[in-house]
Amino acid sequence: DAGVIQSPRHEVTEMGQEVTLRCKPISGHNSLFWYRQTMMRGLELLIYFNNNVPIDDSGMPEDRFSAKMPNASFSTLKIQPSEPRDSAVYFCASSSDYNEQYFGPGTRLTVT
Amino acid sequence: DQQVKQNSPSLSVQEGRISILNCDYTNSMFDYFLWYKKYPAEGPTFLISISSIKDKNEDGRFTVFLNKSAKHLSLHIVPSQPGDSAVYFCAASDDNQGGKLIFGQGTELSVKP
Repeated sequence: DAGVIQSPRHEVTEMGQEVTLRCKPISGHNSLFWYRQTMMRGLELLIYFNNNVPIDDSGMPEDRFSAKMPNASFSTLKIQPSEPRDSAVYFCASSSDYNEQYFGPGTRLTVT
Repeated sequence: DQQVKQNSPSLSVQEGRISILNCDYTNSMFDYFLWYKKYPAEGPTFLISISSIKDKNEDGRFTVFLNKSAKHLSLHIVPSQPGDSAVYFCAASDDNQGGKLIFGQGTELSVKP
């Protein structure tokens, strides 16, 4: 089992640019979660999907953030336009039983 | 509004001794609690969990205790090993919230040889 796959692992971009983070959940898992980790706010849930449908996006900071899950094996988190305060580590996680979540290695985003 | 709190940002323990990591929560609707371990440059990995109908769950060197009346849980690691050095997050969920986990800020454990 390959685990949750995220790409890229590192992303450095300039303010104002569009950033797309990608996630492939574990095969057979029906829930997918996007988290952001910062020193100030810790690990916070941005949005989660169940059976490819967004269930709760109340953690999405603002309209510059959007997430999609076009099929059971792929999800994207997009930031447009990006700002320096978006710099953080973004994690994707998936689960099959609504409790135990399996995390990917994360994408470290730096916006200059 | 921090619903799950880990008040100790760091903890240092000697190898072979017990490590006790603490977590408090405020939402009485939480019914499932988990501990995750995180090494640098990796994602959190699931360690152990406990349902609100229990007060203790044990898995090898790791034991989680839940005190519902105090809204407090703790993770005991006995004996502690240098490889246990990592950041530990506690998390809680409410069955009515459909899998949404609320995480604490984490406690960095350092086990010294």
